[in-house]
Amino acid sequence: SQQGEEDPQALSIQEGENATMNCSYKTSINNLQWYRQNSGRGLVHLILIRSNEREKHSGRLRVTLDTSKKSSSLLITASRAADTASYFCATAPKGGYNKLIFGAGTRLAVHP
Amino acid sequence: DAGITQSPRYKITETGRQVTLMCHQTWSHSYMFWYRQDLGHGLRLIYYSAAADITDKGEVPDGYVVSRSKTENFPLTLESATRSQTSVYFCASSEASSYNSPLHFGNGTRLTVT
Repeated sequence: SQQGEEDPQALSIQEGENATMNCSYKTSINNLQWYRQNSGRGLVHLILIRSNEREKHSGRLRVTLDTSKKSSSLLITASRAADTASYFCATAPKGGYNKLIFGAGTRLAVHP
Repeated sequence: DAGITQSPRYKITETGRQVTLMCHQTWSHSYMFWYRQDLGHGLRLIYYSAAADITDKGEVPDGYVVSRSKTENFPLTLESATRSQTSVYFCASSEASSYNSPLHFGNGTRLTVT
């Protein structure tokens, strides 16, 4: 079964708007990572947030982590058409022996 | 060019045939991984390797075999392909364990088993 589950499954917004994607997971983690996948390509790492961190920024990306609720969110501010992609959260469970577990992803469409 | 390369990019094979998917990385990363991606399931880990000659099963290893005689190569073999193995296969590498390092992915191999 999947450790991380993203919500919503699909999101459609206009350029300039903010996009928020959520991820929930089931077990204790060492870290949580977000990846982007453009159509027909491999996944690209965006941000890694450790279990003792609450928030992390990278350019227009902001990730939060709430370990008490076992949830994380990815915020993309001032979205662009080039942000159109699928976004995946992945968790590194404690005692998971390198088994990074991915959710099913959120498909983001940003319209010009 | 530095990076992680998968070959072939596309493969069609018949049920029962053996097929090997290749993965090569130029970073000398210790860890390498094989995932499959199917609609509705996200990515599922098939096998991983922490170093040359060290491999371990992931979530869905049945029907697959891996080897890692050299740090840079991590081939995945389907010994007798089945239709349920039709999928997109991704190889990835990381410098350290997933506790500390992000994964770097190849562009995938789209495998169709007829």
